[in-house]
Parts: sequence; C-alpha cells; structure tokens
Amino acid sequence: DAGITQSPRHKVTETGTPVTLRCHQTENHRYMYWYRQDPGHGLRLIHYSYGVKDTDKGEVSDGYSVSRSKTEDFLLTLESATSSQTSVYFCAISGVAGGETDTQYFGPGTRLTVL
Amino acid sequence: AQKITQTQPGMFVQEKEAVTLDCTYDTSDQSYGLFWYKQPSSGEMIFLIYQGSYDEQNATEGRYSLNFQKARKSANLVISASQLGDSAMYFCAMREGPPGGYQKVTFGTGTKLQVIP
Repeated sequence: DAGITQSPRHKVTETGTPVTLRCHQTENHRYMYWYRQDPGHGLRLIHYSYGVKDTDKGEVSDGYSVSRSKTEDFLLTLESATSSQTSVYFCAISGVAGGETDTQYFGPGTRLTVL
Repeated sequence: AQKITQTQPGMFVQEKEAVTLDCTYDTSDQSYGLFWYKQPSSGEMIFLIYQGSYDEQNATEGRYSLNFQKARKSANLVISASQLGDSAMYFCAMREGPPGGYQKVTFGTGTKLQVIP
C-alpha cells in the first residue's frame, strides 16, 4: 500500500471559516491530486500538482486553493467554507520515483461538514 | 456525453457466485487506461485492476478480471467466487492519454454490490 495519510480525518466547521486539509505521502510520487466525493457524482478532481510549487485546477476548483511546498505535502484550503463544500475529500498520488506508473493511489479520506 | 457510465446503481450476488459489473466509456483518444476501484463501507478507495488500451489480453488480478471489449467501449469487472467481503461500492475510471505524466482520470458514479450469504 502507498504511504498516504490525510489530516484531519473528520472535521466540522462553520460557514465562512477557513479550513485546510493536509495530504502527506512517503512514496516520493511526483503527482498529487485532491478529489471530492459526493453521492451520485463519483469522484471529481479539485486541483492537482505535478511538482513542488506546480499546481493546476481541476473540474471543480472554485472556492478551493492548494499549495505544495514539499514533495511529500499537498494542502487543500477552503478560504471561506460553504455548506456546498460538505463532502468527503480524497488525496491521491501517482508516478513512482524514477519511473511512471498508471495507477492513482488514494489516501483514507477526510469527511468535512460545514454547518 | 458521460465519459464513464455505470448503469447498475446496485446489484446482489449470492456468495460463491460470479458477478459482472458493467462499465462503458467514451473517448476519442487511442491511448487510454481503465481502472476499477473498490470502496468498502469503511470509506477507503482500493485499487483493484488496470487495463491499458493497447493491452491485447484482458487483465486479471486474483479473483478479479476485466472483460475489455474495445470495439464496444466496455470494461466490465468480473468477480469470481464472490465473498461477503466483496460487498462494497465499485468505481470504474478512465485515464485519457498515454501512461505516465499527469493522470486526468474520470470516475463513474459507482455500483453498490451486496453479497448475500
């Protein structure tokens, strides 16, 4: 199993507050991704990173920002949380050190509730 | 058009029987990859099996096999000898473009499989 952790695992917050979710990997994978999972929608890509300080938007990026200052860490920030951002957030990684693989491996997920 | 379609929201299978979960895809790329993931009730996403568009043989991983029919654009997951632990949501996903590099992956909406003792 790929070494991917997410923190926190559960969070309840109020509308309008900032929230930061952290993804940490020990696999030295180049690519990192943030998805959200909602009933009836599968997983949708929020942002991804293709290297330190290199990030780009996915299909549902409005209201989210990301940062990657180290290979192992990818942060997702909700600047001002809204109830529509209540979801389960997954981090994923791909691309082994020294080569490339096709598979994305997922972290355990963070359940975020915005009241 | 949906890029990944899973038409079975829910399915039941008797323990020890085989089951097929359907997945059709839509892409104009010649090089692409197809994945299946399992999500048990505990919530984690577990990679099961991968099929590349140029792979001539169907992928197999233990009790999982991927029935790849390129002309029909289908990539059905076959689970043989179902076990109670197979009860989960199953997601089909597609990578468009060649392997390696950034992976744009599109997921289907999933099929909930319940294995009956």
